[in-house]
Amino acid sequence: DVKVTQSSRYLVKRTGEKVFLECVQDMDHENMFWYRQDPGLGLRLIYFSYDVKMKEKGDIPEGYSVSREKKERFSLILESASTNQTSMYLCASSPPPGTGGYEQYFGPGTRLTVT
Amino acid sequence: GQSLEQPSEVTAVEGAIVQINCTYQTSGFYGLSWYQQHDGGAPTFLSYNGLDGLEETGRFSSFLSRSDSYGYLLLQELQMKDSASYFCAVRPLFSGGYNKLIFGAGTRLAVHP
Repeated sequence: DVKVTQSSRYLVKRTGEKVFLECVQDMDHENMFWYRQDPGLGLRLIYFSYDVKMKEKGDIPEGYSVSREKKERFSLILESASTNQTSMYLCASSPPPGTGGYEQYFGPGTRLTVT
Repeated sequence: GQSLEQPSEVTAVEGAIVQINCTYQTSGFYGLSWYQQHDGGAPTFLSYNGLDGLEETGRFSSFLSRSDSYGYLLLQELQMKDSASYFCAVRPLFSGGYNKLIFGAGTRLAVHP
């Protein structure tokens, strides 16, 4: 079974802190994604990566950056956390379309609270 | 632009059948997917429609009509454990080889005894 793990289930940070959210997948997937999930808004894509050191902005990249130094690991960075970044953060991975299906595999999520 | 619309909430009783609709406005996409998410859990993949028509997987079926810009998820013989949020998602044509998805806001299904 594909496994996507995230470094923390719950995180509390102060405004202005630099925050790192880590995601690791064990299926050698090329594609990895970071979403945030807020009530009534569904899942919104922050950034995605299609290869090591490659990244693309999603729909809401402002205030975030990412790092992918190894294929299995994709990090989301909040350079200076703000209260409006309080949210559930979900990481996902998938193979390229047409190779292993159409499915994205999600981690359990990190609920981040910024105070 | 791309947008998907789903009802925010649906209520049904155990053993019944429920249909969750997804209407979309998009310039083009490869296929429509459905994901299930229980409270506190991760979204999990349920189904994918690359072509128009019905796809069946056990108690769940999914339908797509590109001409009507419409799809739905059908859940039969509802069980209490089906209480969850359900998201439709499309992979836009412009997403290239990246399997990028755009999600709807989700439908919260409550199943009652």
